[in-house]
Amino acid sequence: DIVMTQSPDSLALSLGERATINCKSSQSVLYTSNNKNYLAWYQQKPGQPPKLLIYWASTRESGVPDRFSGSGSGTDFTLTISSLQAEDVAVYYCQQFYTTPLTFGGGTKVELK
Amino acid sequence: EVQLVESGGGLVQPGGSLTLSCAASGFTFSDSAIHWVRQASGTGLEWVGRIKSKASNYATVYAASVKGRFIISRDDSKNTAFLQMNTLKTEDTAVYFCTRLAYNSTWYGLDVWGQGTTVTVSS
Repeated sequence: DIVMTQSPDSLALSLGERATINCKSSQSVLYTSNNKNYLAWYQQKPGQPPKLLIYWASTRESGVPDRFSGSGSGTDFTLTISSLQAEDVAVYYCQQFYTTPLTFGGGTKVELK
Repeated sequence: EVQLVESGGGLVQPGGSLTLSCAASGFTFSDSAIHWVRQASGTGLEWVGRIKSKASNYATVYAASVKGRFIISRDDSKNTAFLQMNTLKTEDTAVYFCTRLAYNSTWYGLDVWGQGTTVTVSS
């Protein structure tokens, strides 16, 4: 199984600050035939299902604010929130869909300082 | 509106069985791969399994933790997927989500999620 390791476990920032969340996979999730990383990022707020934010490591889902961005390739990935807003308080998960079993990172809780 | 709605959760004793349903609307359900993901209270997301479309022979695959106990099926005529859970254990207690693996020239993520249904396994 591909193990997804996220860091940090939690992050407390002030409004307007930059949030950086890291995700490392135990093996590459780059599908070489199409040069796409099968890596997604999700946001989950309390009592809600996860919401897809970013797919193919760096493509923003429709309707997601442009303060959210993803980067990385192969085994190392980053989700960045350029200027934290109150509505961004949530838990963020990375996930690989390169192979089954699909696996998620442990989550990063983003809070306001 | 593109939507998935789970139902069927509840309280069941250890060793018991329960079947969850996932009703789809607003998209071509028969073309979609449907996954189940669960989340125990206060913890992260755990993938349970998936069923592919008819074009892929309704292929199923399961997480090791549920293999041999859970069965995923679908009825495309009713736009509904099912998660049959047998020999339930206390550690199966969780909110269960059904979700769609989106496709646009290739797979790109779990883009539609239900609100979840709660399964509690307790005596």
